[in-house]
Amino acid sequence: GQNIDQPTEMTATEGAIVQINCTYQTSGFNGLFWYQQHAGEAPTFLSYNVLDGLEEKGRFSSFLSRSKGYSYLLLKELQMKDSASYLCAVLDSNYQLIWGAGTKLIIKP
Amino acid sequence: IAGITQAPTSQILAAGRRMTLRCTQDMRHNAMYWYRQDLGLGLRLIHYSNTAGTTGKGEVPDGYSVSRANTDDFPLTLASAVPSQTSVYFCASSDSLAGGPDTQYFGPGTRLTVL
Repeated sequence: GQNIDQPTEMTATEGAIVQINCTYQTSGFNGLFWYQQHAGEAPTFLSYNVLDGLEEKGRFSSFLSRSKGYSYLLLKELQMKDSASYLCAVLDSNYQLIWGAGTKLIIKP
Repeated sequence: IAGITQAPTSQILAAGRRMTLRCTQDMRHNAMYWYRQDLGLGLRLIHYSNTAGTTGKGEVPDGYSVSRANTDDFPLTLASAVPSQTSVYFCASSDSLAGGPDTQYFGPGTRLTVL
């Protein structure tokens, strides 16, 4: 079967750095997405990785290792508004997105 | 530009009733999707459409139907609602023919409660 694993919940301090991990086992791989979802709102696109390595976009970076079936989202200089769920999703061989259950990130002052 | 709109925002429905959730996008995206999101579970694909006039089944299609008469609209119908269909429903769209990462953009969601 297809499986995306990410921690259920993480806590971090305002101004700090946090890394959210995602491991996947899917039938094929055509890219990995990270989305942010604030409580009661829709998911919004953060990043996309299809090749191994680090993609940096402002305070957020995303890393991919296809051989290890592993990605992480790195958030720097955490702000209170970063409190949200972070969803990892993999585009499989049929070009359908397989979603993880999400990681709820709690930021404390 | 509104992006994707969904209606209604929320609904309480008696079991056995028929319900249509509406989704409209103004981005001229070719592909559209319906997901449900339940606590502790990832987004699960119900149905999708790669282009107007075509639809396909996702991971959890039973009890739901869709149509795609034109590019902009993608309604989801529950023919006879059951309590297990209580969920938050998200519609999404993507420009999968443009090349690039085929990013999906989501509507604000419909919170449906079936009693």
